[in-house]
Amino acid sequence: AQKVTQAQTEISVVEKEDVTLDCVYETRDTTYYLFWYKQPPSGELVFLIRRNSFDEQNEISGRYSWNFQKSTSSFNFTITASQVVDSAVYFCALSEAEETSGSRLTFGEGTQLTVNP
Amino acid sequence: DGGITQSPKYLFRKEGQNVTLSCEQNLNHDAMYWYRQDPGQGLRLIYYSQIVNDFQKGDIAEGYSVSREKKESFPLTVTSAQKNPTAFYLCASSLQGYFNTEAFFGQGTRLTVV
Repeated sequence: AQKVTQAQTEISVVEKEDVTLDCVYETRDTTYYLFWYKQPPSGELVFLIRRNSFDEQNEISGRYSWNFQKSTSSFNFTITASQVVDSAVYFCALSEAEETSGSRLTFGEGTQLTVNP
Repeated sequence: DGGITQSPKYLFRKEGQNVTLSCEQNLNHDAMYWYRQDPGQGLRLIYYSQIVNDFQKGDIAEGYSVSREKKESFPLTVTSAQKNPTAFYLCASSLQGYFNTEAFFGQGTRLTVV
């Protein structure tokens, strides 16, 4: 069965520090997608990135970057020069290529990031 | 603006009562989902629907029921059979019910049993 583990329950940093959120996943599928979502205090989850299992290129979007390594089953997320507005719960999620299950996501437990001024 | 609307934002239920959480989307998405969020446990899938008049159980469907009579609406009923219903409930939708599409989420309903 699929599983996503985010070992860091809470992280607290000071503004402008870099911070990396870890994500490790388990799956028997060779075809799958990995996602990162942000949950601000308002509650809704906001999509950040999607990565398929055949694309191991790292991705950078502004201050955000993602490192996907199939060899270690990890999909880590780094925020460079963190800001107070980055404070939120961040979820890593996995979706497998099961035809009958649609886009059902398996989520990690989430990491609460607090960026202090 | 297009999006997903969940109501109410806060809901209080007495033990033994059924309550229904509303979820409406105007994104013209085919698939809709209900997740439950508990502290420290991430999100767990309750039910999902890939098309009108069809839905499937997720990982924790016991004590819940859903309907999908319209494409835009996917209400969730928390029945008295759900032993521990206090949680944060999130509704989501996606353009197609395929594994590679991102889901869009509502702002959630916080249910408390009193």
